[in-house]
Amino acid sequence: DVKVTQSSRYLVKRTGEKVFLECVQDMDHENMFWYRQDPGLGLRLIYFSYDVKMKEKGDIPEGYSVSREKKERFSLILESASTNQTSMYLCASSFPTGRSYEQYFGPGTRLTVT
Amino acid sequence: GQNIDQPTEMTATEGAIVQINCTYQTSGFNGLFWYQQHAGEAPTFLSYNVLDGLEEKGRFSSFLSRSKGYSYLLLKELQMKDSASYLCAATGGSYIPTFGRGTSLIVHP
Repeated sequence: DVKVTQSSRYLVKRTGEKVFLECVQDMDHENMFWYRQDPGLGLRLIYFSYDVKMKEKGDIPEGYSVSREKKERFSLILESASTNQTSMYLCASSFPTGRSYEQYFGPGTRLTVT
Repeated sequence: GQNIDQPTEMTATEGAIVQINCTYQTSGFNGLFWYQQHAGEAPTFLSYNVLDGLEEKGRFSSFLSRSKGYSYLLLKELQMKDSASYLCAATGGSYIPTFGRGTSLIVHP
């Protein structure tokens, strides 16, 4: 059974804090993605990675960074959390680009920044 | 660039048929995904269309017209558990999907 796990389901942080969201997949997928999902806006891509130590900006990378030191793990970092980063964060993984493979999503982390 | 458009909300009756439309404008279009997302849960894969035509998978079918930039998801014999958001996502030259805003489907008795 394929699995994408995220470190927390719910997280509350204060403005200005550094926040780490962790994602782990056990499917040996090359591609990993971070999205945020807000009501009325749908899923928006923050960053993605197609290999270890590789990263590409998505549509809304401002205020975020990522790290991929191991194939199975992709971390999203909020350097200095702000209230407008309150959102649901979804991690996903898939097989390599060159063909469009389905994405497998983690359960999400609902982050509240106060 | 990419632009994906789908209705915000639809309602239907249990046992009926519903069609959820999606239009897209995608550079170097490759294919179109449909995902289902129940409230509070992760999206799960339903279908992927590359070629024109209808693909049937049980009660769910997905249609693609590349020339018209149009797809739909057809749900037959609706059940209460089909109440969910349905996400349309198109892939272009980069093969990275761009998602629409999702259609919230409410099935009532």
